[in-house]
Amino acid sequence: EVQLVESGGGLIQPGGSLRLSCAASGFTFRSYWMHWVRQAPGKGLVWVSRINIFGNNTIYADSVKGRFTISRDNAKNTLYLQMDSLRAEDTAVYYCVRETSTWPPGFDFWGQGALVTVSS
Amino acid sequence: DIQMTQSPSSLSAFVGDRVTITCRASQNINNYLNWYQQKPGKAPNLLIYGASSLQSGVPSRFSGSGSGTDFTLTITSLQSEDFATYYCQQSYSPPRTFGQGTKLEIK
Repeated sequence: EVQLVESGGGLIQPGGSLRLSCAASGFTFRSYWMHWVRQAPGKGLVWVSRINIFGNNTIYADSVKGRFTISRDNAKNTLYLQMDSLRAEDTAVYYCVRETSTWPPGFDFWGQGALVTVSS
Repeated sequence: DIQMTQSPSSLSAFVGDRVTITCRASQNINNYLNWYQQKPGKAPNLLIYGASSLQSGVPSRFSGSGSGTDFTLTITSLQSEDFATYYCQQSYSPPRTFGQGTKLEIK
C-alpha cells in the first residue's frame, strides 16, 4: 500500500525556519517525481515545488522561490521541504504528493498533510 | 503561468442528478488536464488524468472531456459521497496550476 506521511509541521514565528519531511513507503520512491502542494485554511490548492527522481532538478512557485528548498534522500525514501524566512501567508496545510508514472502526469497519491502556522 | 478558471464556483444538486463542471485554461494545454475531488479535512483524490482517462478505482459515473483550452468534468447519477470540492489542474508546464475549485453541495 502506498503511503506518504508528512511530519515537521507546527507553529513558527515570522522569519523563522521549518523543515517538513515526507516518509514514503509501499512503492519504489526513487522512481517517481515528487511534489509539495499547499492549501491555506479555507482556500484552494496551490502547487509549491517539484523534484525529479535524482534530486538534481527542482522548480518552485514564484511565491516561495529563494526561501524554500525541496530535496530527497532516495536511500531513506524521504522527501523534504526546507522552509526559511517564513511569512504569515505561508500558513497552510502542506501535502507531499507523488506524480504518476502515466502520461500525461497527475498526482495520484497524497499524504495526509502537515499544518504549518506562521504567527507571532 | 497558465491560469485555470473553473465554473461555477459552487453548485447545488440532488442525489441522482447529472452535473457538469467546466475548466478553462489561459492557453492551449492539449490534454494535460487532471481533475481532483477533495472532501473536508482530507487530501485530494485524483479522478481523471489526461483530460479523459479514469484513474484506477474511480467510479465510472465520473468522466472527463475536452482538449486545448476547454474541459469538462461530468458526474452522472450523483451519489451522496460525491458532494465535495472539485479542482482541475494543468500538467502541461510548470507551475502546475490548479483551478480555484467548485464546491458541489446537496440541494
